[in-house]
Amino acid sequence: QLQLQESGPGLVKPSETLSLTCTVSGGSISSSSYYWGWIRQPPGKGLEWIGSIYYSGSTYYNPSLKSRVTISVDTSKNQFSLKLSSVTAADTAVYYCARLELLGWFDPWGQGTLVTVSS
Amino acid sequence: EIVLTQSPGTLSLSPGERATLSCRASQSVSSSYLAWYQQRPGQAPRLLIYGASSRATGIPDRFSGSGSGTDFTLTISRLEPEDFAVYYCQQCGSSPWTFGQGTKVEIK
Repeated sequence: QLQLQESGPGLVKPSETLSLTCTVSGGSISSSSYYWGWIRQPPGKGLEWIGSIYYSGSTYYNPSLKSRVTISVDTSKNQFSLKLSSVTAADTAVYYCARLELLGWFDPWGQGTLVTVSS
Repeated sequence: EIVLTQSPGTLSLSPGERATLSCRASQSVSSSYLAWYQQRPGQAPRLLIYGASSRATGIPDRFSGSGSGTDFTLTISRLEPEDFAVYYCQQCGSSPWTFGQGTKVEIK
């Protein structure tokens, strides 16, 4: 059974870079059938797709965040990562990683990790 | 960007009742690219429906999806206690992928 687990600091200072890693277990991140993605959810609000990556390293990002986002993959560790630069309080959210079917839906999801941006 | 508008914002129903949730897109979405998720409090979203009408693995048949173009519907035929949650639609036909704002199904 495929499982995803987010990890990283729960508190980031304004203007710094948020860094998270998603570890995939129970399956290979190098599968040609899937992409891997990041989604976030501010407290009490809805969901926002951040970006996605293929095992080969090809990426695509939400234009609203593209200038600040980098997603990378490490197939040797079965992990993919998110970096979001120049964070502000508006970036405070639960960050989820998920497997992305080629047609675009997310399944399954990690449990999520809350990242708070505060000094 | 395709905007998805879900209605109603909150649906107050009793166990055993039928729930009908709407998702309207600002532009036409191919049925292949419309999904529904359930999010219980404190949990990650869970895929319910993909391709507008196909149930994900392990999803009970009381959940069904329908629709095409700009209007999509999620129906829960008879609400069970565990179905009281927030439901999101998502379109994946046009980047950026976008989600609706959610419909909360609460116990009346």
